[in-house]
Amino acid sequence: DGGITQSPKYLFRKEGQNVTLSCEQNLNHDAMYWYRQDPGQGLRLIYYSQIVNDFQKGDIAEGYSVSREKKESFPLTVTSAQKNPTAFYLCASSTSQNYNEQFFGPGTRLTVL
Amino acid sequence: QQQVKQSPQSLIVQKGGISIINCAYENTAFDYFPWYQQFPGKGPALLIAIRPDVSEKKEGRFTISFNKSAKQFSLHIMDSQPGDSATYFCAPSRGSARQLTFGSGTQLTVLP
Repeated sequence: DGGITQSPKYLFRKEGQNVTLSCEQNLNHDAMYWYRQDPGQGLRLIYYSQIVNDFQKGDIAEGYSVSREKKESFPLTVTSAQKNPTAFYLCASSTSQNYNEQFFGPGTRLTVL
Repeated sequence: QQQVKQSPQSLIVQKGGISIINCAYENTAFDYFPWYQQFPGKGPALLIAIRPDVSEKKEGRFTISFNKSAKQFSLHIMDSQPGDSATYFCAPSRGSARQLTFGSGTQLTVLP
């Protein structure tokens, strides 16, 4: 049963703490993406990776960091430098033959108290 | 900057009616025009997409109409059903950038 898993579904953290969101895919996709979704807004791209050990900043990378040590995994760290971290975070993946068709995970809702 | 403008923000339709959602874009380099469907608490899923070499594409009850000169494309949902109630996003892209540019979303409610 192929797909993208994100854990946990809900995450609470205190202000000033770093937190890492997990994203795993077993679709054998080369590219992976992290988006942020705020209420009433579209998705905004944080980081993306087309290949292992390489990644690029998206539109809103400040305050976030990523790693891509394995093809299946693309964890996102929300650092204390991110001014408004409370949001719904979505991970996606796509093949290198069709970057346009992205498959999304179920998301992680992060609340910073 | 706002490259993609989606309207309306919300839409209420009776069961069996037609739902129409519009997306206007500025970047003429976009070459792929998809619509994504998102249910509450879930990630978006690709619903239907069109390339600029055709003006219309139909898949079941869902149709995309594309107007290149007006830089607009729209989603038509025929015979709308309560199960279609979701948020819909247009997300045009240009393949070389490998990025989708999402609209702000349209919350569709289909009344039984």
